[in-house]
Amino acid sequence: GENVEQHPSTLSVQEGDSAVIKCTYSDSASNYFPWYKQELGKRPQLIIDIRSNVGEKKDQRIAVTLNKTAKHFSLHITETQPEDSAVYFCAATTGGGSNYKLTFGKGTLLTVNP
Amino acid sequence: EAEVAQSPRYKITEKSQAVAFWCDPISGHATLYWYRQILGQGPELLVQFQDESVVDDSQLPKDRFSAERLKGVDSTLKIQPAELGDSAMYLCASSWGTGSPGELFFGEGSRLTVL
Repeated sequence: GENVEQHPSTLSVQEGDSAVIKCTYSDSASNYFPWYKQELGKRPQLIIDIRSNVGEKKDQRIAVTLNKTAKHFSLHITETQPEDSAVYFCAATTGGGSNYKLTFGKGTLLTVNP
Repeated sequence: EAEVAQSPRYKITEKSQAVAFWCDPISGHATLYWYRQILGQGPELLVQFQDESVVDDSQLPKDRFSAERLKGVDSTLKIQPAELGDSAMYLCASSWGTGSPGELFFGEGSRLTVL
C-alpha cells in the first residue's frame, strides 16, 4: 500500500519567517495530495490541495509544490503568524471514483514564536 | 455551516468493556470514514463506507472492532472488548464520494481512554 513520509516532525520559526514541510510518497499512481491543519483540540481541516496534473498551487500565504518524478510534495507558508501554529498533515490519495483512499503522514508540529 | 457530528466527545472505560461511537456525516455525503489517531501520529483509516457498503476495512481489527452504516447515513463504531492499546482519538469524516478525490470533512472526534 501507499506509504507517506513527512519531515520534519517539529518545526519552530519566528513570526514573519517562512516554513517548509516536505512529504514523500511511494505509490506512483497517487493522484491527489491534500494538506490538513489541526489546531490543538480541534478537528483537522483542509487548507490546500494539489492534483497530479499540476506542479504548483498557491493560496495567499500558502503554497504547495508537487514533483511527480521524485514523488515528493511540499507545503510552503510565508510570513508566518502565531495563528499558523498547529499540526500539519500531508496525505496522498490512490484510487478514484467512489473508492479512493487517503494515506496520511505522521504530522509536523509547527510553532510560530511571536 | 454543516458539520460532521460525533458522540461521545470523551469516553473512559476499563479494559474488556464494550464501547461505541456514533457519527452523523454531512447531509448528502456518500462516503464515510472512521480514522484512529494516536497522539503524535497521523490519522489511520479503520473503515470506509460508500453509502451503506464497506469499501475498505483492511485495517480494522475485526476480532474486536465492528462498524456499520445501516441506512447509508449515520454510522456506529464498536469495540468489544476494549484493550489498553485502543486508547486514541477516533475521528469520523465524510465526503461527497463521487468523481475525483476531494475534501474530507472531519468531526471533532471521540477520545477514548482505556484503563
